[in-house]
Amino acid sequence: EAGVTQFPSHSVIEKGQTVTLRCDPISGHDNLYWYRRVMGKEIKFLLHFVKESKQDESGMPNNRFLAERTGGTYSTLKVQPAELEDSGVYFCASGRTGGETQYFGPGTRLLVL
Amino acid sequence: EDQVTQSPEALRLQEGESSSLNCSYTVSGLRGLFWYRQDPGKGPEFLFTLYSAGEEKEKERLKATLTKKESFLHITAPKPEDSATYLCAVREYSSASKIIFGSGTRLSIRP
Repeated sequence: EAGVTQFPSHSVIEKGQTVTLRCDPISGHDNLYWYRRVMGKEIKFLLHFVKESKQDESGMPNNRFLAERTGGTYSTLKVQPAELEDSGVYFCASGRTGGETQYFGPGTRLLVL
Repeated sequence: EDQVTQSPEALRLQEGESSSLNCSYTVSGLRGLFWYRQDPGKGPEFLFTLYSAGEEKEKERLKATLTKKESFLHITAPKPEDSATYLCAVREYSSASKIIFGSGTRLSIRP
């Protein structure tokens, strides 16, 4: 069974630019989560999709972040315009319906200069 | 406010020297406690889920235990390949979504 995949693995952009991160969950997992870790901090929750619907987006920092999951398969997280404080590692996780465990991808390392 | 505190921050052991990592948590109602292993440059790798006090889970040299206030990850006769950051996380009953992570324990095993 293939794990959660994320693309790109690294991204370096300038302040004010736009970046789009992609996550492909484990096949058959209806639940998809986005988390991030900024320098020196714990991994923090951003939002949760159940299929194509947003279940909880309480962790989204502001309206510069937009997450989508069209068709209930892969998800994208767009940051527009990017700010310096958006630098960090963005993780995606997926899980089965009714399951508690979340399985994480390798992350996308974002650096905003 | 829900909190997860892990100790120690870092631990250096000699190969074969057993020890334990601690995770203290404060939630209004525990829905699940999770242990993950994270290697540098990679995502968290799932190890265990514990649901209720008294529960124990084992995998190779690792054993996780749970009480009402804390969890321990016991490492028996560790090998250098066990070196990693070990993360503890909790989900509370009222949350259908997020899990709350601790800051992790960096474990280093010397050959």
